[in-house]
Amino acid sequence: QVKLLQSGAALVKPGASVKMSCKASGYTFTDYWVSWVKQSHGKSLEWIGEIYPNSGATNFNEKFKGKATLTVDKSTSTAYMEFSRLTSEDSAIYYCTRRGLRRVENVMDAWGQGASVTVSS
Amino acid sequence: DIQMTQSPSSMSVSLGDTVTITCRASQDVGIYVNWFQQKPGKSPRRMIYRATNLADGVPSRFSGSRSGSDYSLTISSLESEDVADYHCLQYDEYPYTFGAGTKLELK
Repeated sequence: QVKLLQSGAALVKPGASVKMSCKASGYTFTDYWVSWVKQSHGKSLEWIGEIYPNSGATNFNEKFKGKATLTVDKSTSTAYMEFSRLTSEDSAIYYCTRRGLRRVENVMDAWGQGASVTVSS
Repeated sequence: DIQMTQSPSSMSVSLGDTVTITCRASQDVGIYVNWFQQKPGKSPRRMIYRATNLADGVPSRFSGSRSGSDYSLTISSLESEDVADYHCLQYDEYPYTFGAGTKLELK
């Protein structure tokens, strides 16, 4: 059974960074890209970017370039996203999800449970 | 970026209704549209992929269709468990973009 298990909620100060994790199980980690999605205000979704675990190749939404850093640890089947220079606008729930090797294959067919980030002094 | 204009933003529904939610793409995205259901406090769940295909385990009262640049999700004979938020997604082109979401509420 495919599972994406995300790290817990975080409370961080403005200007700081936060790093969240997404541990995959139930499938071959290197056979799927891992995407990250932001949900603000409980409704709208934004695609942040994706990483291919086998090579570390990434694709980003221009809006989040320089803001988000994506990495993986193949030995633990875990993907990471670090968000830097946090402001109140970054307070949101962040989800990891996956897609197949072909860009249009199995797109977002499994999701993590989400990680809440609150930016506050 | 491709805009997915989703309507309505909210809808008041009754059990047994047939409900249709629509996304209009700002440019051609072919068949590369997914629909997701999201319940309060939960992650999105893929319901429809490639515009018209039912995802595994999704009840057959859900269906997806396409007419030109308009993509629709239809729920026939709405059940209480279907009351949720729904989102469309285009993945024909980077960046992937979502509609603004539709909230179904019981009358």
